[in-house]
Amino acid sequence: SQQGEEDPQALSIQEGENATMNCSYKTSINNLQWYRQNSGRGLVHLILTRSNEREKHSGRLRVTLDTSKKSSSLLITASRAADTASYFCATGFQGAQKLVFGQGTRLTINP
Amino acid sequence: DSGVTQTPKHLITATGQRVTLRCSPRSGDLSVYWYQQSLDQGLQFLIQYYNGEERAKGNILERFSAQQFPDLHSELNLSSLELGDSALYFCASRRQGETGELFFGEGSRLTVL
Repeated sequence: SQQGEEDPQALSIQEGENATMNCSYKTSINNLQWYRQNSGRGLVHLILTRSNEREKHSGRLRVTLDTSKKSSSLLITASRAADTASYFCATGFQGAQKLVFGQGTRLTINP
Repeated sequence: DSGVTQTPKHLITATGQRVTLRCSPRSGDLSVYWYQQSLDQGLQFLIQYYNGEERAKGNILERFSAQQFPDLHSELNLSSLELGDSALYFCASRRQGETGELFFGEGSRLTVL
């Protein structure tokens, strides 16, 4: 399967701490994206990293991509209760228009 | 608000029945994607249309079919429903091409009893 795998499956931290989620995938990619999903809602795009980019920042989000290890990580700094959600990585492939999603990490921020 | 509209939001039906889920993409988006999200299978890609034509197919059952109309809205038809078809069905749209973010609707929650 081309599906990415997120690690950990669930993460619970205190407000103000940093949260790190990891994603691994199996084949060469064109781009890797992270999405957020609040319970039962639609997914919201957070950040896109192209295969030739090693790191990208957006506000409190930092994404790293290591294509040699076929892995990515999403760091959320100074977490807030409102960051509680599921986070998914999605991989895009050259010559294919679909995005393949991982199983997600459920992040809980405790106030 | 993503700009992608899905109806109905909730649907309860019985096994063996047929339902149609509708999606209106963001204005100007030519690509429409359908995904199924269930607890045990995660988010599974079903099918993609681009400007009315099927472009990619994923793990879509033969009992399921979809189409995209000239006004770019899309419908996902699910027939001979089984208990295991209970899930959240998401539509997403993208302007064009292979890269770029997907904009998701709020989903249609299907419950098959």
